[in-house]
Amino acid sequence: QVQMQESGPGLVKSSETLSLTCIVSGGSISKYYWAWIRQPPGKGLEWIGHIDHSANSNYNPSLKSRVTISFDTSKTQFSLRVSSVTAADSAMYYCARSYVSGSRRFDSWGQGTLVTVSS
Amino acid sequence: QSVLAQPPSVSEAPRQRVAIFCSGSSSNIGNNPVNWYQQFPGKAPKLLVYYDNLLPSGVSDRFSGSKSGTSASLAISGLQSEDEAEYYCGTWDDSLNGWVFGGGTKLTVL
Repeated sequence: QVQMQESGPGLVKSSETLSLTCIVSGGSISKYYWAWIRQPPGKGLEWIGHIDHSANSNYNPSLKSRVTISFDTSKTQFSLRVSSVTAADSAMYYCARSYVSGSRRFDSWGQGTLVTVSS
Repeated sequence: QSVLAQPPSVSEAPRQRVAIFCSGSSSNIGNNPVNWYQQFPGKAPKLLVYYDNLLPSGVSDRFSGSKSGTSASLAISGLQSEDEAEYYCGTWDDSLNGWVFGGGTKLTVL
């Protein structure tokens, strides 16, 4: 049973870079997409981007110019970087796993980490 | 503004049946399976229905899903107070090469 856990600073200053890590344990990285999804307070879910086991990534066009997702060398964790943050980037950030084909369902989620952007 | 459209809220009495609808387009719902997620306050979303109408292990058969064209629905029968939660539809979007979600529907069991 895969487990996922986000970590990173809960407070980021406006115009700086938000950096989060998702530690993956108990499962293989193959055959899956590894995604970041965020949820502003009181609002819905927004896909930020994802990476596959070959380190191919894709990003939401609305964030693409500011986002980078990467694996660490051991591929037991993957990271999110969002540059030039503003208050609009304040949200709960989740990492999640999806099947590459078929339903592309998110069957495993981290517990989430709340990030607040301060001025 | 979410890509998939859901009603913000629905409500129904205990033991009754309720349906939550999700509307999209040919690039998402019309060409890809729909998944539904259940989220309680302060918790991460949990997969509730996948591939339009399949239930993950451990999910009650009071939940069911269906899809027709560019719309999908989640039905919950025999409503219980514990079903009060936010429900999100989600699917792959061929234009984005990524996922889109509905804005969420808050279910209140009266």
